[in-house]
Amino acid sequence: EIVMTQSPATLSVSPGERATLSCRASQSVSSSLAWYQQKPGQGPRLLIYGASTRATGIPARFSGSGSGTDFSLTISSLQSEDLAVYYCQQYSTWPPWGTFGQGTKVEIK
Amino acid sequence: EVQLVQSGAEVKKPGESLKISCKGSGYSFMSYWIGWVRQMPGKGLEWMGVIYPGDFDTRYSPSVQGQVTISVDKSTSTAYLQWRSLKASDTAMYYCVRRYLGSGSYWYYWGQGTLVSVSS
Repeated sequence: EIVMTQSPATLSVSPGERATLSCRASQSVSSSLAWYQQKPGQGPRLLIYGASTRATGIPARFSGSGSGTDFSLTISSLQSEDLAVYYCQQYSTWPPWGTFGQGTKVEIK
Repeated sequence: EVQLVQSGAEVKKPGESLKISCKGSGYSFMSYWIGWVRQMPGKGLEWMGVIYPGDFDTRYSPSVQGQVTISVDKSTSTAYLQWRSLKASDTAMYYCVRRYLGSGSYWYYWGQGTLVSVSS
């Protein structure tokens, strides 16, 4: 089973500043990596797939990068509405058990 | 438009049974795996199982094997997650999900979630 590890657990960023979240896989997942945003009281929403492709309707301030085992999600200029928990997920293995990272909580400083 | 619409919140007592649902629309229901994801209060996302409506192929995560049953009704394009005897530890939000495309694709479509509360 591939283990996904996210860091940091919590990230406190001022509005307008850059936020960078990390996700590491215990073995290569190629580019089969997605990022989800979960705002308080809401379900997860897909932000990024294929490690770097924004999903439909996702603002350009969100970008993803990486391949193999090391990935990152960058929010270029944090907005107050970006307060959320962000999860990475690899989708290279089947069945999909254990494919989510534990999440990074982004707080507004 | 692809939609997954889940049944409403449930409040149950330990030992009671429960079946929650996820109705798919806007696509060929039989052609895509449906998954169930659990989120316990304040915790992360955890897979429970998946089912392929076309041939009823069902897989369970080792963490829930034997504790729940996943099924589908093809005639109503509905997937189900069922418990025979609920425990307080089953209190969680449950989401049904579907891949964007076929095998190897990311999980794009999410139901709105069903909150299950189990308390005496």
